[in-house]
Amino acid sequence: KQEVTQIPAALSVPEGENLVLNCSFTDSAIYNLQWFRQDPGKGLTSLLLIQSSQREQTSGRLNASLDKSSGRSTLYIAASQPGDSATYLCAVYDTNAGKSTFGDGTTLTVKP
Amino acid sequence: NAGVTQTPKFRILKIGQSMTLQCTQDMNHNYMYWYRQDPGMGLKLIYYSVGAGITDKGEVPNGYNVSRSTTEDFPLRLELAAPSQTSVYFCASTDRLPGANVLTFGAGSRLTVL
Repeated sequence: KQEVTQIPAALSVPEGENLVLNCSFTDSAIYNLQWFRQDPGKGLTSLLLIQSSQREQTSGRLNASLDKSSGRSTLYIAASQPGDSATYLCAVYDTNAGKSTFGDGTTLTVKP
Repeated sequence: NAGVTQTPKFRILKIGQSMTLQCTQDMNHNYMYWYRQDPGMGLKLIYYSVGAGITDKGEVPNGYNVSRSTTEDFPLRLELAAPSQTSVYFCASTDRLPGANVLTFGAGSRLTVL
């Protein structure tokens, strides 16, 4: 059974700092890994999708990396802003199962 | 607008009542999912479907039922509502295409059982 862990559960940083969010998974037979953002009381917005054959994906100030062999992914946020405050979730899509397993998320607070 | 549409957005039920959460997508996706999210937690899979007429249980299926008669619709039925079913419910869809597979979510349905 796939298990996804996100550490830390919460993170608070001053504005302008670069930061890394972590996601680990137990079964490396994944099809892809997706990072989402969730604002309080809202749905999930897709940030980045990394296919199993890729090592990283970039979008603006966000960079996500994937190391299948070690079961790890990181989301790097450069020059953080108060508007980045949200919960970030990662999800791995299992190759054979046809479904995604989510971590519990990291709640980020960026202080002005 | 293309995407996943969920109704209702909010609902309060009494213990023992039943209801159906509706989910419709217009992206012709074969794969559809129902998740629940409890406060401060990630998403747990209730049921999923890989195409019309095919459904399967996820991690937490007890107390729920689904059907998939068309590609577009994937309703979730709650029978005999219990306080433990108070949660936010999300519907999502995707398709297994090379280089794609982005999981797209609806806005959620917040259910309270009193």
